[in-house]
Amino acid sequence: DIVLTQSPALAVSLGQRATISCRASQSVSISRYNLMHWYQQKPGQQPKLLIYRASNLASGIPARFSGSGSGTDFTLTINPVQADDIATYYCQQSRESPPTFGAGTKLELK
Amino acid sequence: QVTLKESGPGILQPSQTLSLTCTFSGFSLSTYGMGVGWIRQPSGKGLEWLANIWWDDDKYYNPSLKNRLTISKDTSNNQAFLKITNVDTADTATYYCARIVGYNSGYYFDYWGQGVMVTVSS
Repeated sequence: DIVLTQSPALAVSLGQRATISCRASQSVSISRYNLMHWYQQKPGQQPKLLIYRASNLASGIPARFSGSGSGTDFTLTINPVQADDIATYYCQQSRESPPTFGAGTKLELK
Repeated sequence: QVTLKESGPGILQPSQTLSLTCTFSGFSLSTYGMGVGWIRQPSGKGLEWLANIWWDDDKYYNPSLKNRLTISKDTSNNQAFLKITNVDTADTATYYCARIVGYNSGYYFDYWGQGVMVTVSS
């Protein structure tokens, strides 16, 4: 299985930039597609799709969210961070079955 | 508008079979490229993918639970199902169903249900 590694937590100040990373144990890119996706989950709620295929903003997601990366290293950026963004963020790969999720990065206020 | 909602027994005993239903609207599982997946999350922990079913009835299972899982669908009634046999306390979790898109280009889960909590306890 492809293992996705995320830092457990990140502390940021409101209005600042947050950079959340996800590293895959092997490449999740194929041809022109980078098969990494990002989800946001708030306490007591279901996950919500933010970014698909590394850099595509999902419908209805604010433009302060962006994604980048290829191969094994991917980044979710939130700029500027707002209070509503305090949540846990998960990456997920679909390069190989089984699809796997990172353990999540909890975004906290500094 | 795409919505999904899970339903299940709430609580069951070890060794029993867990039966979950996902009732959805806003899309059809008979449409090319559409799928529904099941993902679970123990309280305070991360997400674990369980199984996918596609519009053409193709099915995929997490190898770590494969022998215990059965996924199916009822296209006419816009439902998908998951059965897990021989449950134990490690199966206690919130279970989500989610729509899958991007069949030929790296699929992802774009809409999720609110989840159903399942507790396995004697």
